[in-house]
Amino acid sequence: DIVMTQSPDSLAVSLGERATINCKSSQSVLYSSKNKNYLAWYQQKPGQPPKLLIYWASTRESGVPDRFSGSGSGTDFTLTISSLQAEDVAVYYCQQYYSTPFTFGPGTKLDIK
Amino acid sequence: QVQLVESGGGLVKPGGSLRLSCAASEFTFSDYYMSWIRQAPGKGLEWVSHISGGSSYINYADSVKGRFTISRDNAKNSLYLQMNSLRAEDTAVYYCARVSGDWLGAVPYYFDYWGQGTLVTVSS
Repeated sequence: DIVMTQSPDSLAVSLGERATINCKSSQSVLYSSKNKNYLAWYQQKPGQPPKLLIYWASTRESGVPDRFSGSGSGTDFTLTISSLQAEDVAVYYCQQYYSTPFTFGPGTKLDIK
Repeated sequence: QVQLVESGGGLVKPGGSLRLSCAASEFTFSDYYMSWIRQAPGKGLEWVSHISGGSSYINYADSVKGRFTISRDNAKNSLYLQMNSLRAEDTAVYYCARVSGDWLGAVPYYFDYWGQGTLVTVSS
C-alpha cells in the first residue's frame, strides 16, 4: 500500500498570508507514460464532507478560487493558499489514486493566527 | 447539480449487520465508478471500497474484506454497502462518493462529489 504523510499536522497563518501544506507518498505516484501525478487534495470544513480542490497534483477543480494551487511530482507535493481567507479554515487531505487501496494523508488542520 | 444522499446508518451491536444506501441523481450513474469512504469520529479519511459502473470491478480495503459487500443498482441509481460482522472500529461516518475516471469510465481516479454521510455506531 502507498502510505501518505503530511506536514505539518497543524498550522496557523494570518489572514492574507501564505499557507503551505506538504504531502509525501511512500512511492512515486507519477504514471510516467501519461506524465501525470495521481494525487488529489481535499478540503474538509467542520461538519461537512470533503470537497475536491485539486487533482492531477496541480489541476484546480472548477469553482475553486485561484488562491489555491498544487505543485510537486513523484513523491513530494505541496498545496499552497496564496492569501489566506477566513473561509479557508479547514482540514486538508492529500490522496493518491495511483493504486488500490486508494489512501489519504492524515490531514493538516489550518487555522487563523 | 450532482446529488448523493446516504441513508441506513444507525446504532448496531458488535457482530451485527447494517445496509447503507446512497441515492444518486443529476448524472448518468452507470457511467461512473462509485465508492464508499469512512471517517471515524475525530479521525481522518479511509477508503473502504469501490465498484465500477457495470459492477465488473470491485475492490475493498483489507480492513473490511470478507465482511463488507458493495453493490449497485443502475436502474435505481443507487449504491449499497452491506456490512456484516461489525466491530467497534467500524464506527464512522460513511460517505458515498462519485469517482471521476477516464473517458471510458474504466479507470477510477479521484472523488469529485461526496454525499453528506451517514453515521454508523457499533456499540453494545
